[in-house]
Amino acid sequence: NFMLTQPHSVSESPGKTVTISCTRSSGSIASNYVQWYQQRPGSAPTTVIYEDNQRPSGVPDRFSGSIDSSSNSASLTISGLKTEDEADYYCQSYDSTNQVFGGGTKLTVL
Amino acid sequence: QVQLQESGPGLVKPSETLSLTCTVSGGSVSSGNFYWSWIRQPPGKGLEWIGYIYYSGSTNYNPSLKSRVTISVDTSKNQFSLKLSSVTAADTAVYYCARETYYYDSSGYGTWSDFDYWGQGTLVTVSS
Repeated sequence: NFMLTQPHSVSESPGKTVTISCTRSSGSIASNYVQWYQQRPGSAPTTVIYEDNQRPSGVPDRFSGSIDSSSNSASLTISGLKTEDEADYYCQSYDSTNQVFGGGTKLTVL
Repeated sequence: QVQLQESGPGLVKPSETLSLTCTVSGGSVSSGNFYWSWIRQPPGKGLEWIGYIYYSGSTNYNPSLKSRVTISVDTSKNQFSLKLSSVTAADTAVYYCARETYYYDSSGYGTWSDFDYWGQGTLVTVSS
């Protein structure tokens, strides 16, 4: 089984850009798609990025995803930060048998 | 619009079996492209995938929970269910049901997409 490691928290000011990383412990990050979910308090997660870099309809283009094989990691970048972006963000991927979530990153917009 | 709704007891005694059901509306659990998962989140902690089921009854479970988990499906009721045995306080969590898409890409390679529909979640507390 592999793990996905995220920073526990990040903070940035409104209007700025923030990047959240997600590092895969074993196996290639490029071998299986990575998804990103946003979770606000008291609510179920919702998808902001799927299949590495695809945005569901309704998700603003301020959200983007990428993968970097050299660091075996995925990244979620949010530009033009808004206070409404303050939430927990989880990456998720899989292997042949399991689905795995990262530990989550608390984004504070202050 | 697909909707998922969890139901079941909110309080379970230690050593007993936790049982939850997810009712799907606006779509069918028998749709061939979808797998149906249970995911949990202990208070203040992250998400943990428990396992999934396909409408045929094929299942796969998180290795860390495999010995205690059973997921089943009832296509006639458009529901799937979770049983977690021998629960302890560590199993206290919000339990979510969710749908995930599985498809074959242009190369014929099986690929998972995202968990696109989730239930609202139900808090299950393990306590005597």
